[in-house]
Amino acid sequence: DIQLTQSPSFLSASVGDRVTITCRASQGISSYLAWYQQKPGKAPKLLIYAASTLQSGVPSRFSGSGSGTEFTLTISSLQPEDFATYYCQQLNSYPHTFGPGTKVDIK
Amino acid sequence: QVQLVQSGAEVKKPGASVKVSCKASGYTFTSYDINWVRQATGQGLEWMGWMNPNSGNTGYAQKFQGRVTMTRNTSISTAYMELSSLRSEDTAVYYCARDNGDSLDYWGQGTLVTVSS
Repeated sequence: DIQLTQSPSFLSASVGDRVTITCRASQGISSYLAWYQQKPGKAPKLLIYAASTLQSGVPSRFSGSGSGTEFTLTISSLQPEDFATYYCQQLNSYPHTFGPGTKVDIK
Repeated sequence: QVQLVQSGAEVKKPGASVKVSCKASGYTFTSYDINWVRQATGQGLEWMGWMNPNSGNTGYAQKFQGRVTMTRNTSISTAYMELSSLRSEDTAVYYCARDNGDSLDYWGQGTLVTVSS
């Protein structure tokens, strides 16, 4: 199975900050990576698919990059509604594993 | 608009089974796989498996092999996930999600399954 790691696990930031989250895969997954945002008590919401394609309706301050084994999610200017937990998921091969998550909290 | 609506919360005793439903609307049900994902309280997302509603083919994470069954009823555009031999560690919110090949683009609202004696 492909393992995903995320760093950092926890991030404290202020409104307006630029935030970067990294997701690393245990083996190459091409660009078969998605990013999700989850708020407490809610289902995850798709942000980015195919490593760098923004899902329709998602603000342009979110961006994704990478291929192979290293990927990043960047929020260019953190907004109050962005405080949440972020997960990466690989869809290169089954099982479609998730990363452990990165919680973004208010500084 | 695409919607996945799941059945309500369940409380089960250890050793019992639970069957969660996921009713799809707003798209052709047989055109997209359905995945199931669970999340224990305060924990991360755990992928459980997939089902192709057209063929009925399934694939399960090894952890759940032998305990999980994913089925569907195409006449009512509904997917089901049944988990047997429940234990306390299975207490979690269970989600269905539509797999478009690149991502899980639509999610159900989640179903809380509590396993307690």
